[in-house]
Amino acid sequence: AQSVAQPEDQVNVAEGNPLTVKCTYSVSGNPYLFWYVQYPNRGLQFLLKYITGDNLVKGSYGFEAEFNKSQTSFHLKKPSALVSDSALYFCAVRVNTGGFKTIFGAGTRLFVKA
Amino acid sequence: NAGVMQNPRHLVRRRGQEARLRCSPMKGHSHVYWYRQLPEEGLKFMVYLQKENIIDESGMPKERFSAEFPKEGPSILRIQQVVRGDSAAYFCASSPSMGNTEAFFGQGTRLTVV
Repeated sequence: AQSVAQPEDQVNVAEGNPLTVKCTYSVSGNPYLFWYVQYPNRGLQFLLKYITGDNLVKGSYGFEAEFNKSQTSFHLKKPSALVSDSALYFCAVRVNTGGFKTIFGAGTRLFVKA
Repeated sequence: NAGVMQNPRHLVRRRGQEARLRCSPMKGHSHVYWYRQLPEEGLKFMVYLQKENIIDESGMPKERFSAEFPKEGPSILRIQQVVRGDSAAYFCASSPSMGNTEAFFGQGTRLTVV
C-alpha cells in the first residue's frame, strides 16, 4: 500500500536552533512529495515539493527538505527556528489511482519555544 | 485568482439533520478532493472527483455520505442523518490534472453536530 509516515507526534525546539521534522514514504514508482503547514483553525498551506532533480528542495518561510531515495525519506528542515513556526506540519505523497490524489501523514506538531 | 472557496465556514446541525458542504475549486482546476480532520488528528482522504465523475471514493463511509462535482457549480459533500461522530473539519482541495502539482486547500468547514 502506498503511504507516508511521520514518526513523531510532536517536535520541540528552542528558537534559533535548527529543526527537523521527519517523513518517510512508501510508494511504487517515482514519488511526488510535499510538505504542508496548518495553523490553528486554518486550511493547509503548501510549503514545498519534490518532483525530480536536486535532492535538496527549498520552499516558503526558509524551510527546505531533503529527498533521500535510499532511505525513502523526505525530512523537513530549517536552519533557525522561529516561534511563529509553531504549527502542525504534514508530509504528503501524490499517488496515481487512475488520476492523482494526495495522501497525508498523520502530522507532526512543532513547538518552538522562545 | 481566488483560492479554493468553501462554505459555510461553520455549520451546526442537530442529530438526524442533513449537512451540505460546498467547495468551489480554483479557476482552471478540474480535480477536487475532500478530506476530514478530526480534532487533534491528521487529514483523512475521503473522495476524489473530477467534473461529473467520482474517481476514488475509497475513504468515504459506506452510508450517509455522498459527494458530487457537477458540470456547473461547486462540489458538494452531503452528509445525511448526521451523528455526533460526524463533527469534524472538512477540507476541500483542488488541483489541475497534472500529477506533479500541489493541491490547494480551502479554509475548511467546521461541522458541529449537537
